[in-house]
Amino acid sequence: GAGVSQSPRYKVAKRGQDVALRCDPISGHVSLFWYQQALGQGPEFLTYFQNEAQLDKSGLPSDRFFAERPEGSVSTLKIQRTQQEDSAVYLCASSLAKSGSYGYTFGSGTRLTVV
Amino acid sequence: DQQVKQNSPSLSVQEGRISILNCDYTNSMFDYFLWYKKYPAEGPTFLISISSIKDKNEDGRFTVFLNKSAKHLSLHIVPSQPGDSAVYFCAVHFGNEKLTFGTGTRLTIIP
Repeated sequence: GAGVSQSPRYKVAKRGQDVALRCDPISGHVSLFWYQQALGQGPEFLTYFQNEAQLDKSGLPSDRFFAERPEGSVSTLKIQRTQQEDSAVYLCASSLAKSGSYGYTFGSGTRLTVV
Repeated sequence: DQQVKQNSPSLSVQEGRISILNCDYTNSMFDYFLWYKKYPAEGPTFLISISSIKDKNEDGRFTVFLNKSAKHLSLHIVPSQPGDSAVYFCAVHFGNEKLTFGTGTRLTIIP
């Protein structure tokens, strides 16, 4: 597709429920990133893939967060046993490799609300 | 430990005037500095960037200035238009692909 597509756009989860958030990057983009944006804050890095390899997961806040990109295209961010502090917008972005000068293309995000 | 700071949460500017958004950073090793613009319910959109070896980059109405000695980055928009009303994030890049973002400045252009 022309842009980065994320689904669902909105997700309401009961505390303790597991959720899975999907990201379809731009075709041919090697790098894929997940960010978490809390209300009133800037996006915070979660994890980074180059093709199917997860090269950096230093931003994942706990072992309840897990991301995968098994075939180097679509990625899924899974959050187990959701808690209220997980409520945020989860942004996915993709880029060609070595994107420092022109940044990445973000999707519209998934807004997760844990009740 | 905030590596990127945007100290003004909001800014209002009259249409047609210059908007100046500011950003401070802590690490002199960053190699690229970027500005993103975000409308409600959308993801951030890349606006303009500057390499650490330059001090100015211009693209139409948008100019980014980099003052390395002060570790300060600014974005100038002139003339400001109503469609420029959005949240602006500065971001820094250092080698490993990851971008680190500031907390954002909400710019409102007053018609």
